[in-house]
Order: sequence, then C-alpha cells, then structure tokens
Amino acid sequence: EAQVTQNPRYLITVTGKKLTVTCSQNMNHEYMSWYRQDPGLGLRQIYYSMNVEVTDKGDVPEGYKVSRKEKRNFPLILESPSPNQTSLYFCASSQSTVSYNEQFFGPGTRLTVL
Amino acid sequence: DQQVKQNSPSLSVQEGRISILNCDYTNSMFDYFLWYKKYPAEGPTFLISISSIKDKNEDGRFTVFLNKSAKHLSLHIVPSQPGDSAVYFCAASASRTNAGKSTFGDGTTLTVKP
Repeated sequence: EAQVTQNPRYLITVTGKKLTVTCSQNMNHEYMSWYRQDPGLGLRQIYYSMNVEVTDKGDVPEGYKVSRKEKRNFPLILESPSPNQTSLYFCASSQSTVSYNEQFFGPGTRLTVL
Repeated sequence: DQQVKQNSPSLSVQEGRISILNCDYTNSMFDYFLWYKKYPAEGPTFLISISSIKDKNEDGRFTVFLNKSAKHLSLHIVPSQPGDSAVYFCAASASRTNAGKSTFGDGTTLTVKP
C-alpha cells in the first residue's frame, strides 16, 4: 500500500530532551516536507526537501533540523525541544520535485513538550 | 503576515445544497492553488487544484474558481453530502520564485447536516 508513515504517533517529552520523529514514504517520491498544525494557525511548513541531500527552510524552521540522506526517509529532529513546539506534526511527500503538485500526508505525530 | 487567509472558520450547510468555501491570498507571485480535506485523526488529503492560467477547474462534485484580479479562490461542493464534513485547507505556491514552499490557510470546518 502506498503510504507515508510517521513514528511515533504520540510522544510526551520534557524540555531539552532531544528527539527525532521519523518519516518514510514507499512511493519513490522526490519531494518531502514537514508541517506543524496549531489551533487557529492552519498548517505551517517547517522544512522541505526537493531531492536527496537538498533541504530548505519553510516558514517556521527555528528549533528544528532535518536531513535527507536517502529518498524514502526525511526525519525531523528537535535538538532541544521547548513547550512552544507542542503541536501536531505532519510529514508529506510528492511525486514531483515541487510543492504544488498533490502532496500525500502521513497520519500525524502529536507531540507534547512539558 | 498571513499570505493565505480563510476568513470563515466554520460553515454549516444542509445535505444536497451547495457548499462554498473561500480563500484569499496576498502574494501576487502565487500561481498554483490546491485544496486539501482533513478528517479528525488523519492527515490531509488532496482534493483539487488550479493553476493561474485557468479560472475554473472541475472534478465531479468539486469545482474551484480562481479570480486573479481579486486574489480570491473558492471551492464549490455540489451537492454537499454528510461525508464532506471535514476541515478544508487551501494552499498556495509560487512556482517561479520558490517551488518548494507551500503556504496554507487556517482552514474552514465544513459541517453538512443530513
């Protein structure tokens, strides 16, 4: 089944404890992206990658890191999480290298930072 | 500076009637627009898109209209069905200046009453 998977789906952590949210797609897609969804703020793009080893900042990259060492994986790293990073996170991928073709989203990761 | 706005947080319509969801944008470089639908506890799913060379795109019960001069787009759902009840996001991209970035609106929660 073609899909985007994220792990973990739920995570409660404490301030300053490094964490990684994994994202993997099995559709051989070129483009991948991370978003966060907060009440009243819609979806905001954190980082995106148009190809392996190519990443760039979205609108809210502060406090996050990403890497794209292989096509299928695009992990989101929070080196020192803070409470304002409590949010619902979505990973997405697209067949083309750009954002404006259909993106396929993962099921989301709900992160709580205490 | 919110470049994509969905001014109606919620909309309620009767089954069988038309649902009209609106989206305004400020960035004149946006030339691709997409609508996504999101059910609770799931990731968004692509619905329909339009490029700036068109003013209308239709797919079954869903039609998107683009008014470039007004920087406004709308999604029409006819006839509305209870299964259409979801949060709808519009998204915009500027293919010539930053093809990797997606800017989303805040979302509109549509409720279709049987």
